[in-house]
Amino acid sequence: GDSVTQMEGPVTLSEEAFLTINCTYTATGYPSLFWYVQYPGEGLQLLLKATKADDKGSNKGFEATYRKETTSFHLEKGSVQVSDSAVYFCALIATGANSKLTFGKGITLSVRP
Amino acid sequence: DTGVSQDPRHKITKRGQNVTFRCDPISEHNRLYWYRQTLGQGPEFLTYFQNEAQLEKSRLLSDRFSAERPKGSFSTLEIQRTEQGDSAMYLCASSLGRLMNTEAFFGQGTRLTVV
Repeated sequence: GDSVTQMEGPVTLSEEAFLTINCTYTATGYPSLFWYVQYPGEGLQLLLKATKADDKGSNKGFEATYRKETTSFHLEKGSVQVSDSAVYFCALIATGANSKLTFGKGITLSVRP
Repeated sequence: DTGVSQDPRHKITKRGQNVTFRCDPISEHNRLYWYRQTLGQGPEFLTYFQNEAQLEKSRLLSDRFSAERPKGSFSTLEIQRTEQGDSAMYLCASSLGRLMNTEAFFGQGTRLTVV
């Protein structure tokens, strides 16, 4: 079945550091890929998405590129801020009428001033 | 449209009681999902609907859990004979599921505490 694997966490960075959070997936066909973010005390929010190979999703300085050859969708940001501290989830939904949204386990990012 | 709405936001119940949660999706969305999330874990799939049809229910889900979406609009999730292990955040999400499966939008969740 479909699955998403995220790197182990938590991750702690200093402000303005470069961020990479790894995500790989297993799915049939050509899934749509997503990063969701959960800020402390808040609900899940869509951060960015990509729907086909080589697409780059971007939002709030975050980027992720859909790499079909490596089945990956790594999240990057060039300079993190304290306000980026949150839990980040990689997710996919496969093609097909009966596909459901599948999440990775999430990774906690803490950014210190 | 104000997004996905869940009610109540918090529920405290005694073990053995039944509870029911409601989710109102974004109005034009035909897909509705229920997930459960515990502290430090990712959302765990429970079930989902395409319009009023329940397409899948997690095999890990006890038969104490049941969900409905009677007219393809709002949905309810009922837990019968609650147990302490049911304590979690219950999340509802909706999306447009057509030829291209689009992103899901989540509500704020219902936090259940079973005492």
